[in-house]
Amino acid sequence: QVQLVQSGAEVKKPGASVKVSCKASGYTFIGYYMHWVRQAPGRGLDWMGWINPNSGGSGYAQKFQGRVTMTRDTSMSTVYMELTNLRSDDTAIYYCARDRSSLIDQWGQGTLVTVSS
Amino acid sequence: DIQMTQSPSTLSASVGDRVTITCRASQSITGWLAWYQQKPGKAPKLLIYEASSLESGVPSRFSGSGSGTEFTLTISSLQPDDFGTYYCQQYNTYSWTFGQGTKVEIK
Repeated sequence: QVQLVQSGAEVKKPGASVKVSCKASGYTFIGYYMHWVRQAPGRGLDWMGWINPNSGGSGYAQKFQGRVTMTRDTSMSTVYMELTNLRSDDTAIYYCARDRSSLIDQWGQGTLVTVSS
Repeated sequence: DIQMTQSPSTLSASVGDRVTITCRASQSITGWLAWYQQKPGKAPKLLIYEASSLESGVPSRFSGSGSGTEFTLTISSLQPDDFGTYYCQQYNTYSWTFGQGTKVEIK
């Protein structure tokens, strides 16, 4: 069955960077775009961007441009999301999510990133 | 970016009630709208896509309608398991946006 397994929780200081991984299994990794969506505590869903695991091409939401980078390792069937210059309002659960015809049909379990001095 | 506005923000209803949630887009998204349900501590789950198509395995009491800028999600007969927060999402462009969510509580 399709599974997206994310890396564990992180605690970072303001100004630091975080890199979250998402390992895919149960389907052809390069056949589906992957997205990252975050959710601050008690808040709604915030779309961050996408990556094409086949080509490595990516696109980011304007609010994260310059701070986010999405990459992939096809040999490991894994995508990564790196967010730099962290602020306290980046504290959130970060989800990877598989794209099925521009819909999200599978989600990772989420990775809590806490930014605190 | 296309803005998505949901209403109401919260609703409380009884089992068996008909429930409607509205989602408005800041510009036309034709029919490229999805609805998700999220339970506390869990990832969201896809319910409806292309405004009115029911995702496989989703109960038929859920339905969606609308086009252009105004959309609705209807639960025909609210069940105890339907509590949670519901989000609309536009995918008219590859810069997605979500609504702010509607929390559904069971009276």
